[in-house]
This record gives sequence, structure tokens and C-alpha cells, in this order.
Amino acid sequence: KQEVTQIPAALSVPEGENLVLNCSFTDSAIYNLQWFRQDPGKGLTSLLLIQSSQREQTSGRLNASLDKSSGRSTLYIAASQPGDSATYLCAVSGTASKLTFGTGTRLQVTL
Amino acid sequence: NAGVTQTPKFRVLKTGQSMTLLCAQDMNHEYMYWYRQDPGMGLRLIHYSVGEGTTAKGEVPDGYNVSRLKKQNFLLGLESAAPSQTSVYFCASTGGLADFTDTQYFGPGTRLTVL
Repeated sequence: KQEVTQIPAALSVPEGENLVLNCSFTDSAIYNLQWFRQDPGKGLTSLLLIQSSQREQTSGRLNASLDKSSGRSTLYIAASQPGDSATYLCAVSGTASKLTFGTGTRLQVTL
Repeated sequence: NAGVTQTPKFRVLKTGQSMTLLCAQDMNHEYMYWYRQDPGMGLRLIHYSVGEGTTAKGEVPDGYNVSRLKKQNFLLGLESAAPSQTSVYFCASTGGLADFTDTQYFGPGTRLTVL
């Protein structure tokens, strides 16, 4: 059974810092890995999707890497802003595009 | 283009009552999913569908039923609600691997409380 772990569970950083969120998974037979953002009381918004054949994806200040063989992914956020405060979820895709989620990292960016 | 919508947004039930949650998507996606989100547990898959008229069980299907009579709609039913079904329910859809990105799009969620 696929298991996804995210470390740390919570993180508080001052504005402007670069930060890294970690995700690990136990079964390397994945189709892709997706990073989502969830604001309190809201749904999930897709940030980045990395296909299993890819090493990284970039969108603006976000960069996600994937090492499928070791079962790891990182989400790098450059020059963090208070508006980045949210919970970040990592999910891996298996058959029928079903997602297995980690429990998330709750990020707070302070002024 | 509304994306994925869910009805209702909030609901309070008494133990033993029944209800249906409706999910609709306007992106012509083949695949649709129902997840529940509980504190400390992350999102877990309840049921999913890979096309109109098909349904399959996910990780936590007990106590739920689903139907996909139309491609754009995916219904989640609770026949006899229990307090353990208190949760936030999310619907999602994707074009699957036929869609190059395979990105899943989520609805805003339904917050259900069972007393």
C-alpha cells in the first residue's frame, strides 16, 4: 500500500526566506506527483505536476523536484511572502489516476 | 467555465438520516473522485469513476454509495449516516492519462456534521 509522508508538519518563516518542503513515498511505481495548496476552509489548488519521467517542474517562485527511485520530492519556495501561508499537500498518482495524499505541511510566513 | 462544483456546501444530519452529495464538472473529464478529509488523516479516496456508468471502491468505501449516470455528474450517497462520517468531502475530476497533464481539479468541499 502506498504511503506518503510530509515533513515538517508545520513551518513558520519570516518573509523573504527561501524554504523547502519535503515529501516521501514508499512505492516508486507512480505515474506522477502533484503538489497542491489548500487555504483554510477551501478546496485544493494544483500548483505543480511532475510526470514520473521528469526530474523537476517550475512555476514562478515554485520549483518541485522528483527522485522516483528514492521515493522523494521537494517543493522549493523562493522569497516567501505572507500570501504563501497555506497548507501544502503532496500526492502521488497510481492506476486510474487515483491520488494518495500526504498529511500536509502547514506554512506560515510572517511579516 | 465553473470547473468542479459541489452541492451542498454545509449540512448537519442526525444519526441514521440519509443524504446525497452532488458533484458536477464542466470540463468533459472522464475520471471523477470522492475524497474525505479528516484532521491528521489527510485526504482519503472513498469511491471513483473512470467513465459514465462506471464506479469503483477506493480506500474507505464502507457506508457510502455512488452513481455516475451522466458524465458530468458524480453523486455520493450516505444511506444511514454515522458520527464517524463527520468530515469534509471533496470531489475531483481529471481527464486521466489521456489528458497530458493529468492534473486533478477539486471542488470547494462539503462540510458534513453527523450528530
